[in-house]
Formats: sequence, C-alpha cells, structure tokens
Amino acid sequence: IAGITQAPTSQILAAGRRMTLRCTQDMRHNAMYWYRQDLGLGLRLIHYSNTAGTTGKGEVPDGYSVSRANTDDFPLTLASAVPSQTSVYFCASSDGHAGELFFGEGSRLTVL
Amino acid sequence: GQNIDQPTEMTATEGAIVQINCTYQTSGFNGLFWYQQHAGEAPTFLSYNVLDGLEEKGRFSSFLSRSKGYSYLLLKELQMKDSASYLCAVGDSNYQLIWGAGTKLIIKP
Repeated sequence: IAGITQAPTSQILAAGRRMTLRCTQDMRHNAMYWYRQDLGLGLRLIHYSNTAGTTGKGEVPDGYSVSRANTDDFPLTLASAVPSQTSVYFCASSDGHAGELFFGEGSRLTVL
Repeated sequence: GQNIDQPTEMTATEGAIVQINCTYQTSGFNGLFWYQQHAGEAPTFLSYNVLDGLEEKGRFSSFLSRSKGYSYLLLKELQMKDSASYLCAVGDSNYQLIWGAGTKLIIKP
C-alpha cells in the first residue's frame, strides 16, 4: 500500500520557470491538502480540496494553483517560481474533518 | 489572530519522562492533534483530543484543557528513537489545521 506518493522528491529550479509537484493517493480519501514547511515556522496550508472537483485557498495561496480532476490526484503548480518559494512541500489527505492527516514524503524545492 | 505556541527545543534523558506543552488561540476549536516528525521525514499522527482530559496510548499521552487553551504531550520511558520534532495543531472553525512551529526533542543517553 503506497498511501500518498509525491514527485519529484527534490528539484532545483531557475526563477521564472513553471513547475508542477505531483501528488497521488490510493486511500480514496475525499480531502487533500498542500502544505509548505519552512525552518522555524509551522506547516502552512497553500491550497486544499474537500472533494474531487472543488478546491479552496489556504493561508499562503499566492503564486500557486491546484486542480482536483479526480479523487486520487492533486497536483500543485508554481506558474513562475520565485526564490521565496524555496521550501519543503508536503501533500496530505484525510477521510474527514476530524480524521488524521496522512502525509506524503515531501518534495524539496530550491528556486535559484 | 490565530496562534499556536510550543517550546522550540527540549532535551531529555533516555528512560525519563518529558512533557511538551502547547498553548493555542484560534477562531473556533475542532480538536487538537499531535504529530511526530523525524528529521527529513513526513509528519505522522500521534494523538487527537477533542474533549478535556487525558488520552493515553502506550508510552504517549496527550492532555487537553479547552478552557485554558492548553495541551501537553507526555512521553514516558524515553527511547533514542523518540528524538524528533513534535508538532501541535488545532482545527479551527473552518476545520483547517493551524500548526505550531514544532518542538525539537533531543534524547541523550
């Protein structure tokens, strides 16, 4: 059982380039989330999706977009990367409001 | 504003007991979560409290006081593998999790 798979695990990217981080889950969870984690800060929610076909903005959505065409996939796109988007990105899913979050292994992105 | 406070770093000895505190101020309350995160890895779920009191799960226990906006995670019989960061998170009125910055726990032999 894979749980949540993220790709790539690590990427170095030139500023201004477009980048999509992929996230796939096989648990049939309705809710999915994208977080960024920076040193000294808590996880910050970028975007979320409560169910396939719907998405919402989190705490730090600017510069990012998401789509949820089906239950399993929730890609995060940086349209034009900037150095401040250097971070570790975690995708997560849950089966309800009070359900625990299951995290992918993270994608370490460096924007130069 | 919404805020979660927890100590940045704590040190404890193998075999001992350690208590990691978390205080919170959020718009609404829909449960408090504790997660463990080893360096370079993803967070993993430890506990969930929605009612006041103590929840025990093996060597780990979590306590909640909603009136005080306070929780703690108690780790007993510490092992070297418990060296990790411990993240406190609170569900707000929109059921979104607000996360603390985490407490790095260092276990010494």
